[in-house]
Amino acid sequence: DAKTTQPNSMESNEEEPVHLPCNHSTISGTDYIHWYRQLPSQGPEYVIHGLTSNVNNRMASLAIAEDRKSSTLILHRATLRDAAVYYCISHNFGNEKLTFGTGTRLTIIP
Amino acid sequence: EAQVTQNPRYLITVTGKKLTVTCSQNMNHEYMSWYRQDPGLGLRQIYYSMNVEVTDKGDVPEGYKVSRKEKRNFPLILESPSPNQTSLYFCASYGWGLAGGRSGELFFGEGSRLTVL
Repeated sequence: DAKTTQPNSMESNEEEPVHLPCNHSTISGTDYIHWYRQLPSQGPEYVIHGLTSNVNNRMASLAIAEDRKSSTLILHRATLRDAAVYYCISHNFGNEKLTFGTGTRLTIIP
Repeated sequence: EAQVTQNPRYLITVTGKKLTVTCSQNMNHEYMSWYRQDPGLGLRQIYYSMNVEVTDKGDVPEGYKVSRKEKRNFPLILESPSPNQTSLYFCASYGWGLAGGRSGELFFGEGSRLTVL
């Protein structure tokens, strides 16, 4: 199963872009890359996912390296409500296993 | 409102006393799964189910059982709880898209905090 590694914590200033990295060097060709975030006292919530090409949605952008060994979640303009733990996940749609990384705790500085 | 509902949200029990944590989803999702979350370890998958009567072990299945008799329900059973099962538990689900592809979005419940004394 693919393992993901992320920095334990990051800080960013409010209204600045944030780039959250994830390393998944053992990912297989059919594993999707997902990002979820968890606010205090809540369950994780979906942010974005992709397979090979970059993806955009209303919450964020996902940049996937050409070799798929790493990806970056981009929050274009951080707000205080974006303070959370962000998880990078590999999702094997073949056997439906999802493997969570240990997450990055993002702190937003006003 | 689309949701995944877990009960109980909080439970304190004693070693060896069987308990069940229920999970129900109202989105007609095929896939359901259970995770436990422990400090420093993130979320780890316990069991998952791809459809009714189909269940598979995740990364940490020891000490747990599940069943999937109906599509909407996926209870987690601790036959003989032990203190190392003290944790925060999450149930999640997602469905296949209209064209048969996965929707990609996993919906999580609010969590069940279990303490085993």
